[in-house]
Amino acid sequence: NAGVTQTPKFRVLKTGQSMTLLCAQDMNHEYMYWYRQDPGMGLRLIHYSVGEGTTAKGEVPDGYNVSRLKKQNFLLGLESAAPSQTSVYFCASRSGTSGNYEQYFGPGTRLTVT
Amino acid sequence: AQRVTQPEKLLSVFKGAPVELKCNYSYSGSPELFWYVQYSRQRLQLLLRHISRESIKGFTADLNKGETSFHLKKPFAQEEDSAMYYCALSQASGSRLTFGEGTQLTVNP
Repeated sequence: NAGVTQTPKFRVLKTGQSMTLLCAQDMNHEYMYWYRQDPGMGLRLIHYSVGEGTTAKGEVPDGYNVSRLKKQNFLLGLESAAPSQTSVYFCASRSGTSGNYEQYFGPGTRLTVT
Repeated sequence: AQRVTQPEKLLSVFKGAPVELKCNYSYSGSPELFWYVQYSRQRLQLLLRHISRESIKGFTADLNKGETSFHLKKPFAQEEDSAMYYCALSQASGSRLTFGEGTQLTVNP
C-alpha cells in the first residue's frame, strides 16, 4: 500500500495564479484532512471531509476550496494564490472506525507564492 | 474552544540526558491526546496516544487531568530522537485533531 500520497511535491506560483493539490489514499479511509504547516504555528486545519461528497471548514479555510468526489481523493484548490499561502501542505486520512483516531499523513507539498 | 500549547519551540539536550517535552491543553470534555513526530524530511507519524499507555522508542506520556497536561518523557535521549514533536488533542467525536505549535528537539552528541 502506498498509504497517503500528495501531488505535486513542490510548486512555485505567482500571486493570483491558481492551482490544485491532490491527495490520494488507498486505505479506504472515511476521513480526510488538509493542513498547513508554518514555523511556530504548528499544523492548522484548512478543510476536512468525513466521507465521500462531504466537506467542512477547519480553522483557516479562507482562500481555499476542497472537493471529495471520490472516497480515495481529496483535492485542495487555491483560486487566487497570495504570498500568505506560502506554506507546507499536508494531507491526512483516518479510518471511520469509532475510537480509532490515528491520522496517517502524506509527505507534504511545499508551496511558494511570489 | 479546545487548545493545545507547547511552551517550548526549541529544546536541546545532550545524548543520555533525560528529556521532557511539555504539552498543556484546554478542553471542556474528556480528551484524547496524542504525540506525533516528524523526523527531518519525513512525514508526520503517530508516536503514542494516551489511551494505549504504551512506551514507544523509550518515550512515555501520562495524561494529568488535574494539571491538564500530557508531557512526553524519555529517561535517556538518543541522537536519533532529534525531530519535531507535536502534541494533539481529539474532540470527543474524533473528527478533528487540534495540534500544538510543535517543539523542535535536538539531541547533541
